[in-house]
Amino acid sequence: GAVVSQHPSWVICKSGTSVKIECRSLDFQATTMFWYRQFPKQSLMLMATSNEGSKATYEQGVEKDKFLINHASLTLSTLTVTSAHPEDSSFYICSAILGGGPITDTQYFGPGTRLTVL
Amino acid sequence: QKEVEQNSGPLSVPEGAIASLNCTYSDRVSQSFFWYRQYSGKSPELIMSIYSNGDKEDGRFTAQLNKASQYVSLLIRDSQPSDSATYLCAVNVYTGNQFYFGTGTSLTVIP
Repeated sequence: GAVVSQHPSWVICKSGTSVKIECRSLDFQATTMFWYRQFPKQSLMLMATSNEGSKATYEQGVEKDKFLINHASLTLSTLTVTSAHPEDSSFYICSAILGGGPITDTQYFGPGTRLTVL
Repeated sequence: QKEVEQNSGPLSVPEGAIASLNCTYSDRVSQSFFWYRQYSGKSPELIMSIYSNGDKEDGRFTAQLNKASQYVSLLIRDSQPSDSATYLCAVNVYTGNQFYFGTGTSLTVIP
């Protein structure tokens, strides 16, 4: 149980185009999903917290107009990188909470999406 | 002070030895604690969670929590080369599901 999928697993796009990444909780309902970015040999960087049916909460320094997050259902959140540039090339990872209350909430991660912007 | 601190390593242990990974956290209202393993180029995978003081064992892994000292550790017994990875400590401060991750400890198990 507690499986999170991401699609696509990798994507190459041209500078200036937009890319959408999907994150799905396959066997549980996730009221909260997180989006992270990770550059090579660096630690996870939280970009935003996404709650179903409401606007995402972005971390300081993350452009909400560039990284559009939509959490339309309890099993799906999407991240759209708009007008992508080479500096947006990174490993994007989502996670979802398997809720059980404040004591037992556990984050499960998707396999990640590697974005390369040419 | 960072919310979660880990020794970045690298930590090297011989195969079959015990690897000890440590993590300290700053927020006294932290509720739950997690250890994740991340292989190079992959996403983190959950190893263990712990919520109460003391030890929790799962196979070769033992998590230890000491809330008074704000300290959580992970012991890996009979370390294998396949355990070579970066280990992330995470803490959940339940004020709106605020998770804090450490920067990770790189472990290498030498055959």
